[in-house]
Amino acid sequence: QSVLTQPPSVSAAPGQKVTISCSGSSSNIGNNYVSWYQQLPGTAPKLLIYDNNKRPSGIPDRFSGSKSGTSATLGITGLQTGDEADYYCGTWDSSLSARVFGGGTKLTVL
Amino acid sequence: EVQLVESGGGLVQPGGSLRLSCAASGFTFSSYEMNWVRQAPGKGLEWVSYISSSGSTIYYADSVKGRFTISRDNAKNSLYLQMNSLRAEDTAVYYCAREFPSYGPDYWGQGTLVTVSS
Repeated sequence: QSVLTQPPSVSAAPGQKVTISCSGSSSNIGNNYVSWYQQLPGTAPKLLIYDNNKRPSGIPDRFSGSKSGTSATLGITGLQTGDEADYYCGTWDSSLSARVFGGGTKLTVL
Repeated sequence: EVQLVESGGGLVQPGGSLRLSCAASGFTFSSYEMNWVRQAPGKGLEWVSYISSSGSTIYYADSVKGRFTISRDNAKNSLYLQMNSLRAEDTAVYYCAREFPSYGPDYWGQGTLVTVSS
């Protein structure tokens, strides 16, 4: 079982918006920065969001992040078929002295 | 351009050992903390280990503590993972990942597959 909880799957139509939740605790999300990763089939993970809501250079503003208390959310607007991937949240857990990831959410663009 | 290239994966019997390497280029390796993250077939990401830029601070996941050793050679721009007493559940693609200070991994290598099986 992952320390961070994500829904196993989400789906939406092209052009629509979707949100992916990530739930944790005070020892991880509540007191540390959250990052989000996109993993396209057969490839390595790619950083989408860091510091809860910042986008690295080259990541379109269709992707957004937010954090409130012990939960974080990834939002994707204007969905494209190329967005079909697994999405992971991650953060540091101060009690475990370990980096932790969510179990991943598979996005299907119908 | 940041590049991380892992090597050393392969098939090993339970109880055996393997040493993974990660060759870094495109950035000042000695200034960055590094991680190993693995992904079992069809499963999610699992963080394995972290090492500070100087090598003085190291963390391990409980699942590998006492069996795996992370190290680095800043003169060779290389990161290593020595894996001993391997188990079937260690079967995974192992990724080398650069740490974005305080924020977690930013750049990832393409991964190297480790299969533990008799």
